[in-house]
Amino acid sequence: KNQVEQSPQSLIILEGKNCTLQCNYTVSPFSNLRWYKQDTGRGPVSLTIMTFSENTKSNGRYTATLDADTKQSSLHITASQLSDSASYICVVSPNYGGSQGNLIFGKGTKLSVKP
Amino acid sequence: DGGITQSPKYLFRKEGQNVTLSCEQNLNHDAMYWYRQDPGQGLRLIYYSQIVNDFQKGDIAEGYSVSREKKESFPLTVTSAQKNPTAFYLCASSILGRNPTLGEQFFGPGTRLTVL
Repeated sequence: KNQVEQSPQSLIILEGKNCTLQCNYTVSPFSNLRWYKQDTGRGPVSLTIMTFSENTKSNGRYTATLDADTKQSSLHITASQLSDSASYICVVSPNYGGSQGNLIFGKGTKLSVKP
Repeated sequence: DGGITQSPKYLFRKEGQNVTLSCEQNLNHDAMYWYRQDPGQGLRLIYYSQIVNDFQKGDIAEGYSVSREKKESFPLTVTSAQKNPTAFYLCASSILGRNPTLGEQFFGPGTRLTVL
């Protein structure tokens, strides 16, 4: 069964600290993996998209890594800010283009950044 | 200002009533999607549409209906047959194509539906 598991479920860190969120997936065939940021009560916003041939992708203070062999991805946040407080969702696509009607969503990691 | 909009932001419904959630996009995207989000759960696909006048059921279509009469609009009706409709509903759109970057889904701000 295609699944995406994220850990930890929730995380509290102090402002300025770094953190790493994990995503393990059992999706086959694999096309690409995405990380989204979702503020409370808002729609998700894309941070990174990686295909199976990419092993790292950065977007400002966000760096995603992908190991397609072990089917693991991580999202590293550097020098956290209060505005990083949100849920981070890992999404895996088993499709090679075309319809996006079969994305597999993780349950998300809720990050709280405290001053 | 390009983007995807949803209305209303909050919606209250009495049991037994049908309600319609609006989703509009001016990104000229071919595909549109409706998801449901419950606390502690991943997003679940309700319906999606790749072209005008055509749509496909997602994983949890029972109790919902959609229409796609215009490319930019994809309204969702939550019918009285939906047993537990209280949730956060998200609409998304994307280009169709093989490039995963181009096929990225853009989400609207969501509608929170509460059944009284």
